[in-house]
Amino acid sequence: DVKVTQSSRYLVKRTGEKVFLECVQDMDHENMFWYRQDPGLGLRLIYFSYDVKMKEKGDIPEGYSVSREKKERFSLILESASTNQTSMYLCASSLGRGGYQPQHFGDGTRLSIL
Amino acid sequence: AQSVAQPEDQVNVAEGNPLTVKCTYSVSGNPYLFWYVQYPNRGLQFLLKYITGDNLVKGSYGFEAEFNKSQTSFHLKKPSALVSDSALYFCAVRDGQAGTALIFGKGTTLSVSS
Repeated sequence: DVKVTQSSRYLVKRTGEKVFLECVQDMDHENMFWYRQDPGLGLRLIYFSYDVKMKEKGDIPEGYSVSREKKERFSLILESASTNQTSMYLCASSLGRGGYQPQHFGDGTRLSIL
Repeated sequence: AQSVAQPEDQVNVAEGNPLTVKCTYSVSGNPYLFWYVQYPNRGLQFLLKYITGDNLVKGSYGFEAEFNKSQTSFHLKKPSALVSDSALYFCAVRDGQAGTALIFGKGTTLSVSS
C-alpha cells in the first residue's frame, strides 16, 4: 500500500512566522501535490511537482512556496503566515505522467495561524 | 476551462436503500474522472476512476459509477447503503488531452441513517 505521511496532524503558529509542512511518500511516485481544504470550497491546488527540483503553480500559490530536493519528499512553506492561511493542508502523490493514475493522500495537517 | 460540479451539499438515505451522489463535469477533451471518499480527520481515499472503456465502473466498498458522455455526468452509486458509508465524497476531473491538473468538486456529505 502507498503511504503518504505528513509530519504533523495539528500545528499552531503565529502570524508572520515561517511555517514548514513536510510530506513523504514511500512508493517512488513521480508526482506530488499540495492542496488546501476549506469548508464549502473543496480542495484547491497550491503547488505540484512532476520531478525532483521541479515545481508548478496551482490555483492558489500566493503566499506559499515549495521544495522538492528528493523524490520522496515535498515541502510546503508559508513564507510569512497569515490568519487567512488557517486551513487543512493535504499532500498527495501519484505515479506517472499520464494523469490517469489516482492520487494517494496523507491524513492532512490542520494548521491554525493565530 | 475544465470544471466539476456536485449539485448537492448533502444526501440523506436510509440504510439498505440505494444511494446516488451526483457529479457533472466540463472539459474540452476526453475526461479522466475520479471519485474519492473522506472520513473525519482523514485524507481522501480513492474509490474508482473512469479513463476509457466500459461506461460502468466498479470500485471499492461496493461503489460504482456510470459515465454518461451526452449528459457529462459521472454519478456515484451503491445498491444498498451502509451506515459506515457516511462520509464526504469528492468527484474530480482532469482533461486527458490538455494535460491539466485534477480539479475537485466541492464535495457532498452522505449521511446514512439506521
